[in-house]
Amino acid sequence: ETGVTQTPRHLVMGMTNKKSLKCEQHLGHNAMYWYKQSAKKPLELMFVYNFKEQTENNSVPSRFSPECPNSSHLFLHLHTLQPEDSALYLCASSQEWLAGTYEQYFGPGTRLTVT
Amino acid sequence: RKEVEQDPGPFNVPEGATVAFNCTYSNSASQSFFWYRQDCRKEPKLLMSVYSSGNEDGRFTAQLNRASQYISLLIRDSKLSDSATYLCVVNSGGSNYKLTFGKGTLLTVNP
Repeated sequence: ETGVTQTPRHLVMGMTNKKSLKCEQHLGHNAMYWYKQSAKKPLELMFVYNFKEQTENNSVPSRFSPECPNSSHLFLHLHTLQPEDSALYLCASSQEWLAGTYEQYFGPGTRLTVT
Repeated sequence: RKEVEQDPGPFNVPEGATVAFNCTYSNSASQSFFWYRQDCRKEPKLLMSVYSSGNEDGRFTAQLNRASQYISLLIRDSKLSDSATYLCVVNSGGSNYKLTFGKGTLLTVNP
């Protein structure tokens, strides 16, 4: 399935590195999301964009910086991460909310390890 | 009370068994309810939305009880391929887009 794609699928980075995660959706949706999934914890919403505008920042540290250049693409820029940031980062998309359906579809995720 | 609370599991059942998952949510203003499944080291995939009247999709039946703030998922005639973690998902009250995920219940269907 290629509705929502994410690259890279795996990433190992040092605490002083800068890297970016990329997400692209091919579903014609207008809302995109970043989630974090740590071991043995439920998914945590990080950021939400609707029609390219950020509508939610769920108290995420500034070392995570999202960017949404258009409704199909979403980036997560990473810098000076901590080992506890190691997790699966999932991107999702959904139709715009006025359409009355909020089912979110997920990409395969980027498994991030911070060393 | 946690926003979304599920049976902790894990559930181990034989093929052909019927298994039920329960979920409660704390925000009475929630309007959207879903069940997702997540295979090991994969992304969550939408299994079904849950409607007020209850809904069925093949071997899967979802029910919602707003008064009790309770959602359930029933799987009949379980298959080996049903083995996964089942996530109860609820929108966060007045926010249409903000979904809260339960921790999930692991199901293993054994031959």
